[in-house]
Amino acid sequence: AQSVTQPDIHITVSEGASLELRCNYSYGATPYLFWYVQSPGQGLQLLLKYFSGDTLVQGIKGFEAEFKRSQSSFNLRKPSVHWSDAAEYFCAVGEGFQKLVFGTGTRLLVSP
Amino acid sequence: GAVVSQHPSRVICKSGTSVKIECRSLDFQATTMFWYRQFPKQSLMLMATSNEGSKATYEQGVEKDKFLINHASLTLSTLTVTSAHPEDSSFYICSARGGLAADTQYFGPGTRLTVL
Repeated sequence: AQSVTQPDIHITVSEGASLELRCNYSYGATPYLFWYVQSPGQGLQLLLKYFSGDTLVQGIKGFEAEFKRSQSSFNLRKPSVHWSDAAEYFCAVGEGFQKLVFGTGTRLLVSP
Repeated sequence: GAVVSQHPSRVICKSGTSVKIECRSLDFQATTMFWYRQFPKQSLMLMATSNEGSKATYEQGVEKDKFLINHASLTLSTLTVTSAHPEDSSFYICSARGGLAADTQYFGPGTRLTVL
């Protein structure tokens, strides 16, 4: 069965600094990978997704992620964090376009 | 595009009553809808998958008689929590995929259920 690991429960980044959130997955076939963001008390918003092709994926709000098959990773990055980026970030792997398995999430805190 | 709404956003009910939560796809036809449950500071756990016009498929450990799911149209799915108890208190989130949004799940804003 597929699984997703987000090793960092919390991360604190200074505003304007760069960000990298880690995601490792376990899946037998070519994975469909997603990053979602959740603000407190809200649903999930899709940041970006990877199905195939270019392993560097651009998303909304200045985020990007890189798929590395050899490392089974799909890390999320942003060159300069804004205070409004503070939220919970979830990595997910999909069985095709159906069932999603989510990681446990990483809470991003942005310090002034 | 690909907007999903949920209603209500919050509900408080007494133990033993039933609560219905609606999930609507506003600008696309959702051939498949999903219901998740999220406990505080935890990840989302898939409860069930429903395809329009078919019976829902429940994940292992989810009581289908307690969590009734109906997906009668391409834009509406409902989750009814029957005979709710305090342990059913949680954040329930739906998602939908279909049409032009066929390859990605788009999530609703969630419903906070509190059972007293």
